[in-house]
Amino acid sequence: RKEVEQDPGPFNVPEGATVAFNCTYSNSASQSFFWYRQDCRKEPKLLMSVYSSGNEDGRFTAQLNRASQYISLLIRDSKLSDSATYLCVVNMRNTNAGKSTFGDGTTLTVKP
Amino acid sequence: DVKVTQSSRYLVKRTGEKVFLECVQDMDHENMFWYRQDPGLGLRLIYFSYDVKMKEKGDIPEGYSVSREKKERFSLILESASTNQTSMYLCASSPLSSPLHFGNGTRLTVT
Repeated sequence: RKEVEQDPGPFNVPEGATVAFNCTYSNSASQSFFWYRQDCRKEPKLLMSVYSSGNEDGRFTAQLNRASQYISLLIRDSKLSDSATYLCVVNMRNTNAGKSTFGDGTTLTVKP
Repeated sequence: DVKVTQSSRYLVKRTGEKVFLECVQDMDHENMFWYRQDPGLGLRLIYFSYDVKMKEKGDIPEGYSVSREKKERFSLILESASTNQTSMYLCASSPLSSPLHFGNGTRLTVT
């Protein structure tokens, strides 16, 4: 079983739709959580951190459920420019450095 | 703004060559990482470093080595390149337990 699992999609949605991605992690010692966005043939870029109380950044809402070991990303009012791959990232802190484990990503295509 | 710079965007090497991939960050971050990304396999950690001259193996270190002689620079070395090392290589840096900042990647082709 992978440490971090995501539904690969693809998710194909019309503009204006609301779409949600889930991500599960297996290690209960995981400490910090992030969503990254990766455009085709580009590097991943941080979209938002995920806090225990949930957090929102414009049209994007992230939530964390430690008991069930999953995080989610909700995108409201989808735009064409939201088309990308969304990567779930889980950090564990070992004795020397934080180690990030990436999900394989969920591909979103927003269509006119 | 954090800047992570990888020395080459595209690289073509022959089987058996020694290959150096260089990465420099300008934010005095303690941690630096090398990942490779392949279709269907996602991002996989090769090596990481939490301090000068310190390194730890990631999930797929075989066939690779690293060097961190200065805090800002982290080099990935392919001792004898093989075709199965054709991939996108991504360097990243971060302060401790903070999000990673990636360079724009090196697409390596080994023929």
